[in-house]
Amino acid sequence: GAVVSQHPSWVICKSGTSVKIECRSLDFQATTMFWYRQFPKQSLMLMATSNEGSKATYEQGVEKDKFLINHASLTLSTLTVTSAHPEDSSFYICSARRDIGIQETQYFGPGTRLLVL
Amino acid sequence: AQKITQTQPGMFVQEKEAVTLDCTYDTSDQSYGLFWYKQPSSGEMIFLIYQGSYDEQNATEGRYSLNFQKARKSANLVISASQLGDSAMYFCAMREDNNYGQNFVFGPGTRLSVLP
Repeated sequence: GAVVSQHPSWVICKSGTSVKIECRSLDFQATTMFWYRQFPKQSLMLMATSNEGSKATYEQGVEKDKFLINHASLTLSTLTVTSAHPEDSSFYICSARRDIGIQETQYFGPGTRLLVL
Repeated sequence: AQKITQTQPGMFVQEKEAVTLDCTYDTSDQSYGLFWYKQPSSGEMIFLIYQGSYDEQNATEGRYSLNFQKARKSANLVISASQLGDSAMYFCAMREDNNYGQNFVFGPGTRLSVLP
């Protein structure tokens, strides 16, 4: 199946620093990628939809100036958590949409665990 | 209002038996898609199966089948011949297409435990 990678898989950083997470679709081009966060024992919450060549669409309540998204190419989207604080500690997962005929799905990356001290 | 409801926080099934995980959804859109994902303890989300709102036949993928009942707005996942490796969280999700763009929402999940 399609493969989506995320880097890094684990990040521990000090409060106030910025963290960049990369999401790559390895064997297909993705015009649309999605960023989610997941707290322990909870479901995924969509943060934003990233479209190649245009600005990301953020969900209500997600600060666009804090979570910067760049979708510079058809295979790469990045999420930068600016001035991270302990409450930003979470599991961040990206996905890439792939359409084959009428079949569509989202393929997810392995996720990035962020711990802000 | 919750768009995706999964009423079973946890389920147990004996190995080799079939199990049904419930999912009901709420949408006023005519065009939408329904997905099931599996999330093992490693955290990775694994795509299992997809059903489009206009698909008349229930989707099947190996041991997974989706019992799609459009009038009742349900999209239950059936896993046949359960295996120990099926133990994981299972999420039902829906993609809506409307005038405002695309919306993708996940249900709260069901934790499936397969017993030997």
